[in-house]
Amino acid sequence: SAVISQKPSRDICQRGTSLTIQCQVDSQVTMMFWYRQQPGQSLTLIATANQGSEATYESGFVIDKFPISRPNLTFSTLTVSNMSPEDSSIYLCSVAVTAESPQHFGDGTRLSIL
Amino acid sequence: TQLLKQSPQFLSIQEGENLTVYCNSSSVFSSLQWYRQEPGEGPVLLVTVVTGGEVKKLKRLTFQFGDARKDSSLHITAAQPGDTGLYLCAARLIYNQGGKLIFGQGTELSVKP
Repeated sequence: SAVISQKPSRDICQRGTSLTIQCQVDSQVTMMFWYRQQPGQSLTLIATANQGSEATYESGFVIDKFPISRPNLTFSTLTVSNMSPEDSSIYLCSVAVTAESPQHFGDGTRLSIL
Repeated sequence: TQLLKQSPQFLSIQEGENLTVYCNSSSVFSSLQWYRQEPGEGPVLLVTVVTGGEVKKLKRLTFQFGDARKDSSLHITAAQPGDTGLYLCAARLIYNQGGKLIFGQGTELSVKP
């Protein structure tokens, strides 16, 4: 399966700042997704990153807060904007070769907001 | 409303015991995946089931997809401390909205030596 590199692996940020998380895959994939996860809990889908067009956001998530880029078939970024303590979480990217293929995950970015 | 219900949420057992985790829904799925996640890592795919009634085995783990493709189970035989982790079921609805997965709530398994 694809090798997925996510950076940074963890960060501690100040309230009101923004952080961009990168997701790099070692092969071309059709689908890339961004999730949020509280430790020990399940995953919540933030958005589907579409190559060459605007991301598709799930209910409760908006582009102004979580802008996403997908410039090509191997790379995507998620920015967490104007952070507050409620944004402290694990952010995960996943990829799938096709819409019907299983998703594979990066190791996540552990984000703490002070 | 939780579309995919996973139970139990927490399970603490002794080494050598057997256990079963369940995922249930009123919706029909085109496929269902089981993942295992350890602290500090992302979920790792264990298995994908696609055919109703399908049974797959991975060493001491047995996965079953219900005949109607609305439910699935994961059975672990003779659990070991290395099985400790968060187990997640995730499914694609039959009408597959852009490849999205629906996740269950997760089962936190602790196997004590």
